[in-house]
Amino acid sequence: DADVTQTPRNRITKTGKRIMLECSQTKGHDRMYWYRQDPGLGLRLIYYSFDVKDINKGEISDGYSVSRQAQAKFSLSLESAIPNQTALYFCATSDLRIGTGVNEQFFGPGTRLTVL
Amino acid sequence: GESVGLHLPTLSVQEGDNSIINCAYSNSASDYFIWYKQESGKGPQFIIDIRSNMDKRQGQRVTVLLNKTVKHLSLQIAATQPGDSAVYFCAESSGGYQKVTFGTGTKLQVIP
Repeated sequence: DADVTQTPRNRITKTGKRIMLECSQTKGHDRMYWYRQDPGLGLRLIYYSFDVKDINKGEISDGYSVSRQAQAKFSLSLESAIPNQTALYFCATSDLRIGTGVNEQFFGPGTRLTVL
Repeated sequence: GESVGLHLPTLSVQEGDNSIINCAYSNSASDYFIWYKQESGKGPQFIIDIRSNMDKRQGQRVTVLLNKTVKHLSLQIAATQPGDSAVYFCAESSGGYQKVTFGTGTKLQVIP
């Protein structure tokens, strides 16, 4: 979805390096998410944020940190990258439609990260 | 290169036939379910959703069925087309849709 952009799209780095993945959205949504995807597995939630002052851990937050700099920006950091953090990383946004209960998430194109 | 679709259950369907993709969920408190489609090299894309007070919901060429008794969800695609080839994920959420838990996915291959 062009309304959710991720940079970089591909990154190769070495063990121990600090890496930041950035996500921007123009949808005006309050909710933003970071997921990782590994071959043969579904998406696993790393962190999520429901507004600028809200940060919540997902199921696999160890080794990661996030920053919600503005409503439109949510960045994911790997403080000291390790090889098992090699994965596809997706940012997503949503805007709960009260009443209908629809919580459709809109995903960015993904960042392929390789840690050597 | 490595593909997200490796090691996933695969459903092969002839073009024009109907496809049924199944999903079992484990959280009996889940009350909202979504199907996503992920094409190669792209992020997941919303297809259809259903709330737990419904058993069936239809969209364009797609139908989602929910059986809460056995915690089972299915996605039916009518007249499957080559463009339907993708990995399909079911997802569930509960408690005011705070966050969504994704299944592992099924790869759909459409045979021309």
